[in-house]
Amino acid sequence: EPEVTQTPSHQVTQMGQEVILRCVPISNHLYFYWYRQILGQKVEFLVSFYNNEISEKSEIFDDQFSVERPDGSNFTLKIRSTKLEDSAMYFCARDRGRDNSPLHFGNGTRLTVT
Amino acid sequence: GQQLNQSPQSMFIQEGEDVSMNCTSSSIFNTWLWYKQEPGEGPVLLIALYKAGELTSNGRLTAQFGITRKDSFLNISASIPSDVGIYFCAGRDYGNNRLAFGKGNQVVVIP
Repeated sequence: EPEVTQTPSHQVTQMGQEVILRCVPISNHLYFYWYRQILGQKVEFLVSFYNNEISEKSEIFDDQFSVERPDGSNFTLKIRSTKLEDSAMYFCARDRGRDNSPLHFGNGTRLTVT
Repeated sequence: GQQLNQSPQSMFIQEGEDVSMNCTSSSIFNTWLWYKQEPGEGPVLLIALYKAGELTSNGRLTAQFGITRKDSFLNISASIPSDVGIYFCAGRDYGNNRLAFGKGNQVVVIP
């Protein structure tokens, strides 16, 4: 059973549309992450989020992306205007933010941009 | 940035054989993690390593944190069909909270 729940499991959208991917951590952790995995490739870091703020982001995480935790529970990733190359698996993850805290992933959302 | 080289990229093995794979980094890491990913699922943590030289087992899996802090290996002993999947190494260097991932090793077990 994954320690984070992600919805939807699969989303299909048209290029230029906005999408919101959701993550619900089961336990009350403070550190959350979004990673993505383009089909057949490795997992790539997008952003880390701590105490309701972005703590670190990668070069992939440009102005089209945003994250928030609107109600103190759900953790969302928004892509403002999707591009074809945004098609990927998006994984939410969480840990305790300490050096000896392993990262646990959700089952992911498969985003398909047409 | 953190660069990881994982090898091999794929393996076809007979059921019952042992499997060994490794990962090297361009920088010194303070954490090595090994994950397994099956189709349609997220990576599942297999073993976490936090100290140089640390050797940790999880059932038939054994992983070690290299003493140079720039490498790690994962062994699977007596492979079984359900060992099929993609195995990823991941690590953090000092001062980074983000995990860097290797490209993965696709393991196929032939019954």
